[in-house]
Amino acid sequence: EIVLTQSPGTLSLSPGERGTLSCRASQSVSSSYLAWYQQKPGQAPRLLIYGASSRATGIPDRFSGSGSGTDFTLTISRLEPEDFAVYYCQQCSGSPRTFGQGTRVEIK
Amino acid sequence: EVQLLESGGGLVQPGRSLRLSCAASGFNFDDYSMHWVRQAPGKGLEWVSGISWNTKYIDYADSVKGRFTISRDNAKNSLYLQMNSLRAEDTALYYCAKGKGSGTYTPLDYWGQGNLVTVS
Repeated sequence: EIVLTQSPGTLSLSPGERGTLSCRASQSVSSSYLAWYQQKPGQAPRLLIYGASSRATGIPDRFSGSGSGTDFTLTISRLEPEDFAVYYCQQCSGSPRTFGQGTRVEIK
Repeated sequence: EVQLLESGGGLVQPGRSLRLSCAASGFNFDDYSMHWVRQAPGKGLEWVSGISWNTKYIDYADSVKGRFTISRDNAKNSLYLQMNSLRAEDTALYYCAKGKGSGTYTPLDYWGQGNLVTVS
């Protein structure tokens, strides 16, 4: 099983700041199979990034993804009030598909 | 507009069974894989199972293998999860999710609102 470890567990930032979230895999993951999701309280997750760096439909360009191999990054260039949420990475190349434990982005 | 509506959850005793359903609309259901993902109260996401567009490829998390069975009916645009031998640790909000592609190795681009299963 591919284990995904996200860091930090919680990120405290102010609106307008840049957020950098990390996802590290226990073994190499093809970039084509790495995705990022956003989940707000009481809501279902929403796909943000797939293929490590491609934005999903309707996702603003302040969200960007990068990385390869075992290290992947989600960057939020300038945090908007609606971006404070929990973010999960997921790999869909191995069995079972696995999620990271999540990074909470909170208002500082 | 893509819509996924789960049903069938509720309170069930340990060792009993429950069947979840997911009614899909707004896309060509038989072109895409479908998945179940669960979230225990206050916890993170756990992928449970996925099924390819033609049911040829099916996969499960180790935690449910041998107890849960995923299926789909393309004529009814519906996805199912038969859950047997339920345990307290299966208590979670169960999401139905659409795969971005036809195979099961694909991200999940649309999600239902979830259906709560409580095993107690």
